[in-house]
Amino acid sequence: KAGVTQTPRYLIKTRGQQVTLSCSPISGHRSVSWYQQTPGQGLQFLFEYFSETQRNKGNFPGRFSGRQFSNSRSEMNVSTLELGDSALYLCASSEHRDRSYTEAFFGQGTRLTVV
Amino acid sequence: EDQVTQSPEALRLQEGESSSLNCSYTVSGLRGLFWYRQDPGKGPEFLFTLYSAGEEKEKERLKATLTKKESFLHITAPKPEDSATYLCAVRASSSNTGKLIFGQGTTLQVKP
Repeated sequence: KAGVTQTPRYLIKTRGQQVTLSCSPISGHRSVSWYQQTPGQGLQFLFEYFSETQRNKGNFPGRFSGRQFSNSRSEMNVSTLELGDSALYLCASSEHRDRSYTEAFFGQGTRLTVV
Repeated sequence: EDQVTQSPEALRLQEGESSSLNCSYTVSGLRGLFWYRQDPGKGPEFLFTLYSAGEEKEKERLKATLTKKESFLHITAPKPEDSATYLCAVRASSSNTGKLIFGQGTTLQVKP
């Protein structure tokens, strides 16, 4: 099975711009979660999508949004970029069976630099 | 509040020198404790899942154990290629979703 694929791997954007990141989960995985990783804060949960519905959202401003498509692929969008948004953005996918989630598998991440 | 604390923050070992990493957690209903390995600039790589106290999992030089309050990742006779950041995460029943709560990680350096 192919792993979780994130595109692009690297991005450089200017303050005030907006950006869209993409994630293709492992085939058959319907849960996709997004995390922000920075040296100071570690891995912070952004949101989770399951069957095209947002199921949970972390403590991030409304500039951070996402969506999931019928094929489980997901995108996250950050509008009005700030310098502090520079981070590694990670996507993870899980299966959901027997009313519980399995382990999460991560992609390689998108390194976003805001200048 | 659900919380995960890892110690130490950094660990330097000589090749062959065994040690343990600690992950303490406070969670309202544990629905899994997960260990990951992360190399610089890459995404976390899944290692183990533990669900209940007393459970143990092994893979090569790594062994993970779980109690009601903490988990240990034991590294036996480490090699330089074991150098990485090891992350611990929990899934809580309070969220009833796939959300993971991570610790800050332990950065392991193994010198030849």
